[in-house]
Amino acid sequence: DAGVTQSPTHLIKTRGQQVTLRCSPKSGHDTVSWYQQALGQGPQFIFQYYEEEERQRGNFPDRFSGHQFPNYSSELNVNALLLGDSALYLCASSLKDLQGSGANVLTFGAGSRLTVL
Amino acid sequence: GQNIDQPTEMTATEGAIVQINCTYQTSGFNGLFWYQQHAGEAPTFLSYNVLDGLEEKGRFSSFLSRSKGYSYLLLKELQMKDSASYLCAVRWGGYQKVTFGTGTKLQVIP
Repeated sequence: DAGVTQSPTHLIKTRGQQVTLRCSPKSGHDTVSWYQQALGQGPQFIFQYYEEEERQRGNFPDRFSGHQFPNYSSELNVNALLLGDSALYLCASSLKDLQGSGANVLTFGAGSRLTVL
Repeated sequence: GQNIDQPTEMTATEGAIVQINCTYQTSGFNGLFWYQQHAGEAPTFLSYNVLDGLEEKGRFSSFLSRSKGYSYLLLKELQMKDSASYLCAVRWGGYQKVTFGTGTKLQVIP
């Protein structure tokens, strides 16, 4: 059973460029969340997608946008890259807990490490 | 907003017991997770608490007190491979958003 897969694993961009990161959720999961993790910090919530819609958003500017496809895979786009966007970008999938009773454990991918020069 | 506090670093000896504390302030609390993250790797799930009390899973246990906004992760019989960051995360809100603390870097020494 494949877990969460992310691509690319590493990439280098320059300031002002745009980047697209991709995520395939764990089989059976329908919800995708994106996190940014700076070195030595905990993951910071960017946004969550469910049913191809952005359901929640953290404190990130509009330069960060995303998309979820009918097969539940997702993309994270970052425009006008800044040096401070250098981080590990983690995708996590889960199963939407409509009853509100389960753990909805987040399963993380290995991440995409973005370096902005 | 959400505020999650945990110690930045801890050191413990192989074979010993260590307790990692986490305090939180959040609205619409639904549950608390603990994740383990080895350097350069993705976080992996350790435990989830939604009710007060202690949940035990082998060498790892997690405790929650909702009234105090407090949790701890207890690691017994420490092994060198337990050296990692331990992330406390709270689930909250109608869409079950999960917010992470900054993590506690645990170093296990011989």
